[in-house]
Amino acid sequence: DQQVKQNSPSLSVQEGRISILNCDYTNSMFDYFLWYKKYPAEGPTFLISISSIKDKNEDGRFTVFLNKSAKHLSLHIVPSQPGDSAVYFCAASASGNTGKLIFGQGTTLQVKP
Amino acid sequence: DSGVTQTPKHLITATGQRVTLRCSPRSGDLSVYWYQQSLDQGLQFLIQYYNGEERAKGNILERFSAQQFPDLHSELNLSSLELGDSALYFCASSVEGLPREAQYFGPGTRLLVL
Repeated sequence: DQQVKQNSPSLSVQEGRISILNCDYTNSMFDYFLWYKKYPAEGPTFLISISSIKDKNEDGRFTVFLNKSAKHLSLHIVPSQPGDSAVYFCAASASGNTGKLIFGQGTTLQVKP
Repeated sequence: DSGVTQTPKHLITATGQRVTLRCSPRSGDLSVYWYQQSLDQGLQFLIQYYNGEERAKGNILERFSAQQFPDLHSELNLSSLELGDSALYFCASSVEGLPREAQYFGPGTRLLVL
């Protein structure tokens, strides 16, 4: 049972354009969402997060949007740069005494020069 | 560099064998997590420790076990290995092991079972 889904395995965009990565979840108990970026042969790196009490969080070129009613979040990268080419994972957690994360399958982003 | 170290980087072994993966958390982090990433899959949560005590368990097989030692490093033991255990195993750490904390991941151990 995949509680966090990233339905697009890959995405290709031109340098300078916007990249939009999508993520859907099914568990209503999730109240905190994170995006991680992963380069080959490295571990995932934390990128940005959002709490369920917000619908938007911005950090430089990265913005995450949360639509709770649709159980959907998206990561916007503007402008996209070739160095952004990586696998992006969406992850979710629920309140409680554990910070365990439930990850999506990942989306491979390729930014072309 | 996340500050989380994992050894070894690569491991090749045979079915039926037992291996131990090691993780040292970031300085100051009390909680350690283990995740498994199989081919073309997302990371699957296995188990979490906080200050030496097990805090949460995911879909971890009975053949797998883990512990966190007094110096806070952690080991993941995989026994009676099967071909399907071939995967990337990541360790992550955070300060308190609670929700809303970013987790910092090590570079992973790539396990190949032949």
